Amino acid sequence: AQSVTQPDIHITVSEGASLELRCNYSYGATPYLFWYVQSPGQGLQLLLKYFSGDTLVQGIKGFEAEFKRSQSSFNLRKPSVHWSDAAEYFCAVYNAGNMLTFGGGTRLMVKP
Amino acid sequence: EAGVTQFPSHSVIEKGQTVTLRCDPISGHDNLYWYRRVMGKEIKFLLHFVKESKQDESGMPNNRFLAERTGGTYSTLKVQPAELEDSGVYFCASSQGYSNSPLHFGNGTRLTVT
Repeated sequence: AQSVTQPDIHITVSEGASLELRCNYSYGATPYLFWYVQSPGQGLQLLLKYFSGDTLVQGIKGFEAEFKRSQSSFNLRKPSVHWSDAAEYFCAVYNAGNMLTFGGGTRLMVKP
Repeated sequence: EAGVTQFPSHSVIEKGQTVTLRCDPISGHDNLYWYRRVMGKEIKFLLHFVKESKQDESGMPNNRFLAERTGGTYSTLKVQPAELEDSGVYFCASSQGYSNSPLHFGNGTRLTVT
């Protein structure tokens, strides 16, 4: 079965600094990968997804992620973090039947 | 279009009581999913409906949990009787009928069992 690991439970960055959140997956074939964000009091919002094609995918809110098969990674990046980006971020992979397997989440804090 | 709606947003009940969570998916979405996040753990799959049929309920923790989706529209998830370890956030998601269509999540119901 597929699995997803987010090695960093908490990350703190200064506003305006760049951000990279790590995600590693375990899957035999080409995975379908997602990043979701949960802001305080909100549900899970889809930031971006990778199914096939270009390995660098653009998402909403200025986020991007790069699929690297050789490293089994799908790291999320943003060049300049805003205070409103403080939230919890989840990497996920599709299992059969459209079932998502989630990583444990990374909580992002943004320092002024 | 309206998103996935969950009710209530919070529920606090005592151990042994019954609670029913409701999810209204996006109109026209055949797929409906329930997920749960227990404090400090990953978000875990509970079950998947396709219209009114249970496609996969492998994630349901035990027979104290009962999910229904009458008429293929809204869904309910009943916990009876609730136990302390049932506390967590219950998410509902829906998606269209085609393969690998993205899941749209509701805001979740935070359940606290005391």
